Amino acid sequence: EVQLVESGGGLVKPGGSLRLSCAASGFTFSNAWMSWVRQAPGKGLEWVGRIKSKTDGGTTDYAAPVKGRFTISRDDSKNTLYLQMNSLKTEDTAVYYCTTHSRWLRFYCSGGSCPIDYWGQGTLVTVSS
Amino acid sequence: QSVLTQPPSVSGAPGQRVTISCTGSSSNIGAGYDVHWYQQLPGTAPKLLIYGNSNRPSGVPDRFSGSKSGTSASLAITGLQAEDEADYYCQSYDSSLTEGVFGGGTKLTVL
Repeated sequence: EVQLVESGGGLVKPGGSLRLSCAASGFTFSNAWMSWVRQAPGKGLEWVGRIKSKTDGGTTDYAAPVKGRFTISRDDSKNTLYLQMNSLKTEDTAVYYCTTHSRWLRFYCSGGSCPIDYWGQGTLVTVSS
Repeated sequence: QSVLTQPPSVSGAPGQRVTISCTGSSSNIGAGYDVHWYQQLPGTAPKLLIYGNSNRPSGVPDRFSGSKSGTSASLAITGLQAEDEADYYCQSYDSSLTEGVFGGGTKLTVL
């Protein structure tokens, strides 16, 4: 069974930093493309960014609002995905979901944006003074 | 403001049919990029409902169907049930933004 468990959320002041982790199990993590999606309180979903598998280049892409401030990385030896968030703003307050997709869905990916069939439970990040 | 526009809310009585639209542009849906749909029940993570415009993952009832035409896509739900009350989101890719995009979401109320 695929499991994605996020951790590291919490309260941080504007301008601060936070690192989220996502522990993955139940699938071959090293082959997976992983993404972060966030949802501000009472708002809709927002794609944050994606990292491909190392065999597919390990490249990352980010949404414009977080580019240059957020960094997605992975440790395949630990089956863990990370989201380093720097220069945090109040508008970054959201539940952050770690996500991935089954390999057979790769056919339906466009520009690295893929249908997501696995989601973590989410971790809340609150940016406030 | 999302580049994919959804109605904020739709409603229908049990047993009825409702549709939720997702309107994009020539840089996303109109460019031929696939559209995917999600259902999010209160307090839970989203669930994949439709992928590749019109395909249902295993376990999703055939009451749910998706279609795409031009710069828009639609999610149709027939035989509406109380348990369908949720938020629904469309997703695609935008070549101008070079990033994945979600619609703003639609709240479905079952009357």
